[in-house]
Amino acid sequence: AQRVTQPEKLLSVFKGAPVELKCNYSYSGSPELFWYVQYSRQRLQLLLRHISRESIKGFTADLNKGETSFHLKKPFAQEEDSAMYYCALSGGSGSARQLTFGSGTQLTVLP
Amino acid sequence: NAGVTQTPKFRVLKTGQSMTLLCAQDMNHEYMYWYRQDPGMGLRLIHYSVGEGTTAKGEVPDGYNVSRLKKQNFLLGLESAAPSQTSVYFCASSVFGQGLAGGRSYNEQFFGPGTRLTVL
Repeated sequence: AQRVTQPEKLLSVFKGAPVELKCNYSYSGSPELFWYVQYSRQRLQLLLRHISRESIKGFTADLNKGETSFHLKKPFAQEEDSAMYYCALSGGSGSARQLTFGSGTQLTVLP
Repeated sequence: NAGVTQTPKFRVLKTGQSMTLLCAQDMNHEYMYWYRQDPGMGLRLIHYSVGEGTTAKGEVPDGYNVSRLKKQNFLLGLESAAPSQTSVYFCASSVFGQGLAGGRSYNEQFFGPGTRLTVL
């Protein structure tokens, strides 16, 4: 079974401070990890995928297979980063790769 | 290109009533999904479809039915609504693509705007 854990339901930081949103996963094979973001009253949208090793809006995330983690980081938080962030895992073979989502972390960046 | 759209945006039902939520996508995606979003629980998969005419159960299928008669549409039905089905419902679609690392495929899902359903 695959599982995604986001231990922080709420996270508040001040503008300009570093931010780290934690994500741990449980999966026996080679997972594909994603971060999705949901701004207030908007649809979920993909922020990062680990396979791309990209930086989007200043955010980065590194897959650590030893610690089974995929934490999302940004060195200097901005007020517009305030949103709900979901870590998601896609694993398994077969005809449809389902996404398993964590419970989400609500990030608030204070002025 | 509208992406993924959902109808209706809001709905209030009484216990025992039925309704159908419509999801449409114009990206020619093969796979479509229905999720429900509840506070503190993230998104949970209700049903999904790997192509026209096919459906499968997800994590929380009880009380829901789905149909995929056309590739672009995925319908979610509640035959007899219950207060426990009060939630925000999201539809998503996906296509397989090639990643940047050794051609590995990935599954990126594109989401609709959601339907807020209240069952009294």
